[in-house]
Amino acid sequence: ELKVEQNPLFLSMQEGKNYTIYCNYSTTSDRLYWYRQDPGKSLESLFVLLSNGAVKQEGRLMASLDTKARLSTLHITAAVHDLSATYFCAAGGGGSQGNLIFGKGTKLSVKP
Amino acid sequence: NAGVTQTPKFQVLKTGQSMTLQCAQDMNHNSMYWYRQDPGMGLRLIYYSASEGTTDKGEVPNGYNVSRLNKREFSLRLESAAPSQTSVYFCATFTVPEAFFGQGTRLTVV
Repeated sequence: ELKVEQNPLFLSMQEGKNYTIYCNYSTTSDRLYWYRQDPGKSLESLFVLLSNGAVKQEGRLMASLDTKARLSTLHITAAVHDLSATYFCAAGGGGSQGNLIFGKGTKLSVKP
Repeated sequence: NAGVTQTPKFQVLKTGQSMTLQCAQDMNHNSMYWYRQDPGMGLRLIYYSASEGTTDKGEVPNGYNVSRLNKREFSLRLESAAPSQTSVYFCATFTVPEAFFGQGTRLTVV
């Protein structure tokens, strides 16, 4: 059974600092997703990682995937307040392509 | 182009009442999904429909039923609501490799 664990679950950062969110998954998966969720809102797709060694970057966020270690990371560079949100990783489960197994999320707070 | 539209956005039910959450998509995707999100949790799959005419259980199907009315519409029904079903419900469609989520329905069962 596929399980997805994120850490940390809460992260308080100062503006300008760098940090990494980790996402471990328990069994083989061919897809890894990162989403952002603002309070009371839906999920916004950030990255889809499909192969070992995949690295994607958008602004201050960079995601990578190591399928051998079953680990994905979301790296935040020089954090700004606008990045405050909850970040979820999800791995592709079985049964259907859209069956995504989510981590519990990392609540990020960026303080001036 | 609305994408995935859910109705209603908010609902309060009394224990034992029934209701149907509606989801419609204009993306012409074959597969549709219902997830729930509880505080401090990621989304969990309730039911899905891989194509028109088919439905399957996800991780947490108990207490729910679904109907894939046509390619556009996928509804989720609570026959006898319980406080444990208080949650935010998201409908999604999927086309490889991306999922597309609706805006959510916030349901409170008192």
